Amino acid sequence: GEDVEQSLFLSVREGDSSVINCTYTDSSSTYLYWYKQEPGAGLQLLTYIFSNMDMKQDQRLTVLLNKKDKHLSLRIADTQTGDSAIYFCAVGNSGGYQKVTFGTGTKLQVIP
Amino acid sequence: DAGVIQSPRHEVTEMGQEVTLRCKPISGHNSLFWYRQTMMRGLELLIYFNNNVPIDDSGMPEDRFSAKMPNASFSTLKIQPSEPRDSAVYFCASRRGTGNQPQHFGDGTRLSIL
Repeated sequence: GEDVEQSLFLSVREGDSSVINCTYTDSSSTYLYWYKQEPGAGLQLLTYIFSNMDMKQDQRLTVLLNKKDKHLSLRIADTQTGDSAIYFCAVGNSGGYQKVTFGTGTKLQVIP
Repeated sequence: DAGVIQSPRHEVTEMGQEVTLRCKPISGHNSLFWYRQTMMRGLELLIYFNNNVPIDDSGMPEDRFSAKMPNASFSTLKIQPSEPRDSAVYFCASRRGTGNQPQHFGDGTRLSIL
């Protein structure tokens, strides 16, 4: 089955850019998502990209997809303390089930 | 629009008791998911319903766990009897269609079994 890997922890200074990385194993993955989880809350969808795209930008967020290396990244420009949270990468396929596999999550700590 | 609504938000009970978690998906969404989140195991998919029918329950840990979706606007996850190792945050998520639409999560139920 699909395996989705993320580093567990990232620390950045306020105002810097954050880059959260994700790798996956199934080359047939079609839909790739980024979610944010704040303490005591559920997962909030941030953005998503289809496998026929290389990049998607949405305000301070930039998603890059390297299909050859099966690598997805989320860049947050001008990181703010409110961006401190756990970020999950999730990968789905277009098969009959459309199962989505979530990564382990990366905890982003923003230092003022 | 109202998001996915879960109840209760918190539940503390003694081992051996029956626990029922509830979920109301977003109106118009026809896929529903139950997840469990723990520090040790991360986010685990327990069961997935499509059009109220269970499609994949391979993640349900054991027979003590059961889930139902009697109609398009309500689902339950039941644990009977509960054990301390069931302590976790349980999330419900819903999705429109079966394709590329993203899942939308509720705020979860934090379950503590003493």
